[in-house]
Amino acid sequence: GQQLNQSPQSMFIQEGEDVSMNCTSSSIFNTWLWYKQDPGEGPVLLIALYKAGELTSNGRLTAQFGITRKDSFLNISASIPSDVGIYFCAGQVLLKRGMNRDDKIIFGKGTRLHILP
Amino acid sequence: DVKVTQSSRYLVKRTGEKVFLECVQDMDHENMFWYRQDPGLGLRLIYFSYDVKMKEKGDIPEGYSVSREKKERFSLILESASTNQTSMYLCASSLRAGGSYEQYFGPGTRLTVT
Repeated sequence: GQQLNQSPQSMFIQEGEDVSMNCTSSSIFNTWLWYKQDPGEGPVLLIALYKAGELTSNGRLTAQFGITRKDSFLNISASIPSDVGIYFCAGQVLLKRGMNRDDKIIFGKGTRLHILP
Repeated sequence: DVKVTQSSRYLVKRTGEKVFLECVQDMDHENMFWYRQDPGLGLRLIYFSYDVKMKEKGDIPEGYSVSREKKERFSLILESASTNQTSMYLCASSLRAGGSYEQYFGPGTRLTVT
């Protein structure tokens, strides 16, 4: 089945640093989504990407849909303490012609972000 | 804003008990999903539903069943809880029309089976 490889698994950074994480796959994706999960809470949608090459920002967060449709990255600029949490990528696989639409998405295993004081 | 609520944040049950986890969304979404989240395994899809009374198995349906009698409500049932079902359970919903696959999650229910 399709898999998303998300890296790094965890990051330790200093407050104020920029952060970069990415997701890759051998499959072509139709949609990329980025979520953040705070401890003990459900994931919250940060950014949705629908076109290859699309670059979208949400405050200090920027995400891009890779040109090959097989990868996406998320950047966080000037990190602050509340950025701590787990960041997940998720993707909707491009369906073959003639198949019924499938609304499931596949999740990466997450990048856990730690910020050192 | 989309709002997805789950009936309990924390739940402790005994082995063999029947457990109901309820999820309600207020955005008229057609699709609803149940996931479990375990350290190192990420989010795994248990069941999903495209419409009222419709259900589809996800990747790990064994030991679970679901019910969708109303559009806004999706219930996950553990017929006979076991210790390996101790986990964080997350409900999500999404629109079916318009090509959007954006799923919106509830706060989660942390279930402990003793």
